[in-house]
Amino acid sequence: QAVLTQPSSLSASPGASASLTCTLRSGINVGTSRIYWYQQKPGSPPQFLLRYKSDSDKQQGSGVPSRFSGSKDASANAGILLISGLQSEDEADYYCMIWHNNAWVFGGGTKLTVL
Amino acid sequence: EVQLLESGGGLVQPGGSLRLSCAASGFTFSSYGMNWVRQAPGKGPEWVSVIGASGSPTYYADSVKGRFTISKDNSKSTLYLQMNSLRAEDTAIYYCTPLGDGPDYWGQGTLVTVYS
Repeated sequence: QAVLTQPSSLSASPGASASLTCTLRSGINVGTSRIYWYQQKPGSPPQFLLRYKSDSDKQQGSGVPSRFSGSKDASANAGILLISGLQSEDEADYYCMIWHNNAWVFGGGTKLTVL
Repeated sequence: EVQLLESGGGLVQPGGSLRLSCAASGFTFSSYGMNWVRQAPGKGPEWVSVIGASGSPTYYADSVKGRFTISKDNSKSTLYLQMNSLRAEDTAIYYCTPLGDGPDYWGQGTLVTVYS
């Protein structure tokens, strides 16, 4: 079982909200994990969006709009990236990442389509 | 202006070696741990290795442990990755980046192609 699991794709309409999940493997507690989110567009390296552990331990990337936010679903052992007011330029691949066992681990990514 | 300039990629046969470099400027390189992250064509990013700000500790992904060596020369603001015993599955664009809680700096990467 992968350390981080993300749905491979998600579609949403302009102006709507999109909730991207990142499920941690059983045995890795989402409550104690800092979850990092990256956005990647074709031909460019990943770009840091935000980091979320709790409402008191979070960081927004430089220049990243507030319509990108992080949260957790403890019952699902998952981190969540919420994008509100979707815009066409939000169409991209999104990756979650954690530090686990002395290694950075990326999720497999979610391709977000805005249509 | 912050710059990370990766170099040293190229074509190599399986079993061969390459040494990647990442020249940093525009920020205090010696203050940050640095990582190598790679991305195979059409795939997501894969973390390769990390080195502490002063050169230790170092950690490696299981997929490269024993074959790759990361190092850092703070006097030259340069990060290195020595890659030995290369395999076809090492084919990817290699990026250097602080990652994590460091500043969000990325170069444009250097392409490594392992072919037979």
